[in-house]
Amino acid sequence: DIQMTQSPSTLSASVGDRVTITCRASQSISSWLAWYQQKPGKAPKLLIYKASSLESGVPSRFSGSGSGTEFTLTISSLQPDDFATYYCQQWKTFGQGTKVEIK
Amino acid sequence: EVQLLESGGGLVQPGGSLRLSCAASGFTFSSYAMSWVRQAPGKGLEWVSAISGSGGSTYYADSVKGRFTISRDNSKNTLYLQMNSLRAEDTAVYYCAKAIGIRSSGEYGIDYWGQGTLVTVSS
Repeated sequence: DIQMTQSPSTLSASVGDRVTITCRASQSISSWLAWYQQKPGKAPKLLIYKASSLESGVPSRFSGSGSGTEFTLTISSLQPDDFATYYCQQWKTFGQGTKVEIK
Repeated sequence: EVQLLESGGGLVQPGGSLRLSCAASGFTFSSYAMSWVRQAPGKGLEWVSAISGSGGSTYYADSVKGRFTISRDNSKNTLYLQMNSLRAEDTAVYYCAKAIGIRSSGEYGIDYWGQGTLVTVSS
């Protein structure tokens, strides 16, 4: 089975900061990676699919990149609404999650 | 508007059974793979199971293989998860989820999620 390793597990940042989260696959997954945002008590929300495609309605400050085994989710300028937990997913495997906290 | 509405969660004793349902609307249900994803209290997301649009292909996490059965009734636009031999570690919120891409198996990700239903396994 493919393993997904997400880092960091926690990230402290301020409004306006540029934030990068990394997800590494144990073997090549081409570009079949999705990113989600989850807030407490809510279902996850799709942000990025196929590694770099922005889901409709998602702000353009979110972007994804990478292929093969290494992927990144970048928030170009962190907004108050962005403090949440972020997950990567390759089909049957989710990353461990990254909690973005207020610094 | 896509809507996914789970039901069937609740409290069950270890070794017991439960069947979750997910009523779907707002899209051509039979054209899309569907998944169940769970989240234990305070923990991350765990993929549980998936089924192709036709129902002909099913996939399971090792942690539930042989105990859980995923199925769908395309005439009723409903997804199911039959959970048997439940264990304390199955306690979680269970989400019904729609796969991205017509006729995919779910490998492209999930674009819509239900609100979740809580399953608690405890004596």
